Amino acid sequence: SQTIHQWPATLVQPVGSPLSLECTVEGTSNPNLYWYRQAAGRGLQLLFYSVGIGQISSEVPQNLSASRPQDRQFILSSKKLLLSDSGFYLCAFSRGFDEQFFGPGTRLTVL
Amino acid sequence: GNSVTQMEGPVTLSEEAFLTINCTYTATGYPSLFWYVQYPGEGLQLLLKATKADDKGSNKGFEATYRKETTSFHLEKGSVQVSDSAVYFCALSTTSGTYKYIFGTGTRLKVLA
Repeated sequence: SQTIHQWPATLVQPVGSPLSLECTVEGTSNPNLYWYRQAAGRGLQLLFYSVGIGQISSEVPQNLSASRPQDRQFILSSKKLLLSDSGFYLCAFSRGFDEQFFGPGTRLTVL
Repeated sequence: GNSVTQMEGPVTLSEEAFLTINCTYTATGYPSLFWYVQYPGEGLQLLLKATKADDKGSNKGFEATYRKETTSFHLEKGSVQVSDSAVYFCALSTTSGTYKYIFGTGTRLKVLA
């Protein structure tokens, strides 16, 4: 069956520190991959999506970046975190235009 | 462009009350429509979906019908339970161009015993 993993589950980082969040998918090949951010009590903001290895589309210019080094691995990074980067980060995948499957999320607090 | 509009929350209901959460959309082509549910501290889970006009998606007592003439996909449940308390998101997937999904802003439902 298809599953999606995200880690870590929670993270507390100081302003200016680097960030690396990882997402992996099992049970399917060549998925479309997505990173979303959800501010407290708010909706979903699409940050990046990828339709193949090395193919990254950025939706919101900011100090975050994404990479897809393997077919089922999607990484969200930052060189220097800002306070405004705090939020709940969700990874998701889909096959074509069918429904998305979401990971459990990472709660990031930047202090 | 494509967009999804859903009713503002929070919605507070008593247990066994009838639920409607409105969702309307704007899209080119023939999008698929989805309702997702998010419980506190968790990711989103697919609740139901419909892929073409007049399709009815249903799951766990929830229903929604894809109405192309009114561009709507309202979520309904006849009798809510305390365990239904969560945030509900309406979404669509575009069928052309990019593989992107458009989400509504979410509606928080609180069910009181």
